[in-house]
Amino acid sequence: GESVGLHLPTLSVQEGDNSIINCAYSNSASDYFIWYKQESGKGPQFIIDIRSNMDKRQGQRVTVLLNKTVKHLSLQIAATQPGDSAVYFCAENRGYQKVTFGIGTKLQVIP
Amino acid sequence: DGGITQSPKYLFRKEGQNVTLSCEQNLNHDAMYWYRQDPGQGLRLIYYSQIVNDFQKGDIAEGYSVSREKKESFPLTVTSAQKNPTAFYLCASSQPRDEQFFGPGTRLTVL
Repeated sequence: GESVGLHLPTLSVQEGDNSIINCAYSNSASDYFIWYKQESGKGPQFIIDIRSNMDKRQGQRVTVLLNKTVKHLSLQIAATQPGDSAVYFCAENRGYQKVTFGIGTKLQVIP
Repeated sequence: DGGITQSPKYLFRKEGQNVTLSCEQNLNHDAMYWYRQDPGQGLRLIYYSQIVNDFQKGDIAEGYSVSREKKESFPLTVTSAQKNPTAFYLCASSQPRDEQFFGPGTRLTVL
């Protein structure tokens, strides 16, 4: 199997429940944040983004919350489905070469 | 279909060999990037290019080389100087200050 996903924090969620994945970022100058989903053996896929002038942004079944005071980002997935099983990681973007990616959280959906 | 393609999906290299990983995009993005992904670590930037005929070293450029002769193409060569090349390599592209779109990845294994 693929080795991406080993040694990562894991969140196990019952199908139909809501999932919350957290991310702490390091640089208070970061003004653009992105959540990606990466399935085993594949490239990351964009899920949702948020700029620092917002606290919350909603997409289809996903919500991103940004707390600039404590430099914290969260991704909420409503009614989690088996197809949501993947590694999720956040990225803070301060320019071309100044994108920092988190190591990710592995989401396991229990049928 | 707009997107990023990488080839090959799997690549095996013998000790002392140079190998080239292909990355093509038809999204008309100005910027392209190469990342390396290892288990338990965030994506690490190898090289990036903001415009044709120009590229910059990222955090782990030693043992790698790139070219950007065309807007849509950004091949990465893994040279024999790279001591630990076994990894999952991801190519991405973006417009300035926007989210990066990733290719499907190439898994390189040294025999």
